[in-house]
Amino acid sequence: DTEVTQTPKHLVMGMTNKKSLKCEQHMGHRAMYWYKQKAKKPPELMFVYSYEKLSINESVPSRFSPECPNSSLLNLHLHALQPEDSALYLCASSQDQRIPTGGQYFGPGTRLTVT
Amino acid sequence: EDQVTQSPEALRLQEGESSSLNCSYTVSGLRGLFWYRQDPGKGPEFLFTLYSAGEEKEKERLKATLTKKESFLHITAPKPEDSATYLCAVPLAAGNKLTFGGGTRVLVKP
Repeated sequence: DTEVTQTPKHLVMGMTNKKSLKCEQHMGHRAMYWYKQKAKKPPELMFVYSYEKLSINESVPSRFSPECPNSSLLNLHLHALQPEDSALYLCASSQDQRIPTGGQYFGPGTRLTVT
Repeated sequence: EDQVTQSPEALRLQEGESSSLNCSYTVSGLRGLFWYRQDPGKGPEFLFTLYSAGEEKEKERLKATLTKKESFLHITAPKPEDSATYLCAVPLAAGNKLTFGGGTRVLVKP
């Protein structure tokens, strides 16, 4: 099973709202990632968790707050977002952050619209 | 500076018209090159990993090859369902951070 699941599929939120994106994988992968993707652009890395610890933060604004409750789950908490944060948010996982074998497996994404 | 460049940006093909996509990279110490397929509004789907020059991988109508400076994704006798954006990516030396090319949008017309 090479599936990464994400919920919700679509999310519309106001600039004062607080919401969360969820990601889950059951492949035994120990590295999990959040990406942001704008239309007709490649994914941009936001955060990396390795063995449930934050490994990389690509200078993401604090209105995005990641959380890794256990090795299978990854959350992205959203607060006071701006309209320019509207994008497709992708979760990915890989066997181990240090070993690039097998690539990263992506979920279907959450389409976020900030109004 | 590590860089990944894909060409062309867009490709329109007739069904059955074979073609190739290019991914050129300048990365010190290549630790793998990945190809993904992405349909509109969906997450990238993993296709291939290539590790060393001369390596080839195949899946249905797709064949990926690797040289020391570039990779090619050959689409043989494409069908309309092969229409998608194809992304290549390489991990940087630090932290397995994937650097993506800009992608090639492929449209196969029946």
